Amino acid sequence: DTEVTQTPKHLVMGMTNKKSLKCEQHMGHRAMYWYKQKAKKPPELMFVYSYEKLSINESVPSRFSPECPNSSLLNLHLHALQPEDSALYLCASSQDGHPQETQYFGPGTRLLVL
Amino acid sequence: QKEVEQDPGPLSVPEGAIVSLNCTYSNSAFQYFMWYRQYSRKGPELLMYTYSSGNKEDGRFTAQVDKSSKYISLFIRDSQPSDSATYLCAMSDNNAGNMLTFGGGTRLMVKP
Repeated sequence: DTEVTQTPKHLVMGMTNKKSLKCEQHMGHRAMYWYKQKAKKPPELMFVYSYEKLSINESVPSRFSPECPNSSLLNLHLHALQPEDSALYLCASSQDGHPQETQYFGPGTRLLVL
Repeated sequence: QKEVEQDPGPLSVPEGAIVSLNCTYSNSAFQYFMWYRQYSRKGPELLMYTYSSGNKEDGRFTAQVDKSSKYISLFIRDSQPSDSATYLCAMSDNNAGNMLTFGGGTRLMVKP
């Protein structure tokens, strides 16, 4: 099973709302990632968790707050977003977070900020 | 200059054609090379993974890496309309931890 699941599939929110994106994998992977992808662009790395600890934060604004409650779950808490934050948010996972590993992506959450 | 260059396309071919997708890169430290397929409004799906130089074949797909030229390719034989998607190359090296560097993606359209 190489499945990464993400909920919700679609999300519409206002700039004053607080919402959360969820990601789950049951492959025993210990590294999990959040990416942001704008239309016709490649995914851009936002955060990396390795063994439930935040290891990489790619200078993401504080209105995005990641959380890794356990090795199978990854959340992205959203607050006071801007319309330009509208994008496809992708979660991925890999075995241990080493460079030679394959990253497996979820289907994404399509976010629209009004 | 971007670290990984990929022609955005769109590349339009008839069904049954051989498709060649390519990426060039500038960082000679890259050692791990991947091709992902992404259908519209879906997440990327891993197609091929290659370590260092050489060829790898999987069904209709062949990945080639030429590190001396800093050039990687994905060939699709007997292309099908279901192959219509955006193809992303990605690569990493031992110095960048687990960060992937993506190409911009090539949009492929296979016409019946």
